[in-house]
Amino acid sequence: DAKTTQPPSMDCAEGRAANLPCNHSTISGNEYVYWYRQIHSQGPQYIIHGLKNNETNEMASLIITEDRKSSTLILPHATLRDTAVYYCIVRVAFGSNYQLIWGAGTKLIIKP
Amino acid sequence: GAVVSQHPSWVICKSGTSVKIECRSLDFQATTMFWYRQFPKQSLMLMATSNEGSKATYEQGVEKDKFLINHASLTLSTLTVTSAHPEDSSFYICSARRGLAGLRRNEQFFGPGTRLTVL
Repeated sequence: DAKTTQPPSMDCAEGRAANLPCNHSTISGNEYVYWYRQIHSQGPQYIIHGLKNNETNEMASLIITEDRKSSTLILPHATLRDTAVYYCIVRVAFGSNYQLIWGAGTKLIIKP
Repeated sequence: GAVVSQHPSWVICKSGTSVKIECRSLDFQATTMFWYRQFPKQSLMLMATSNEGSKATYEQGVEKDKFLINHASLTLSTLTVTSAHPEDSSFYICSARRGLAGLRRNEQFFGPGTRLTVL
């Protein structure tokens, strides 16, 4: 079962910041939050991940609340090519491996 | 770095035939590979996890005799859909995990996917 809930869709104007929320209220202390995106009919693309602290890379910023029950992915200056389905994922331990538990995702549409 | 390829990118086959999909890590050694299935407008569903040189671990509800997984080397895993039926038509995606130490050792890198259509 998915451990995350996201709004099914969002719109954002080109050039503006896109803020994508995610709830993961049942997350455990050692489980990471990952974000991937998927452009139509392509494989998922890694964006960013974090555990407790806020993270930033060349693609996005990840803001995690202090209680870790929710997070927000921020695309600082959205472009038309950022139109995709964005998945907020919890990584859980599974034996000696880790699994990504995928939710339904948010379809982000960037409008000119 | 960390590129994963899949072959073929799409395939159309007749019902009852078997189809093999290859997943390769091009510039790194993948100790673990994962196979996912994605139906239209749905999220990815994990089918199985395979470690190099050992049997794959299948998720509940996935028939291991129907979806044969072989992970014979650190750069190649194959998924064979045996006796394919129209309901097996889907987008199959693999991912690979690098066997490195450190913070990014558990990061999964995804292939571009294979579209299977069974007539």
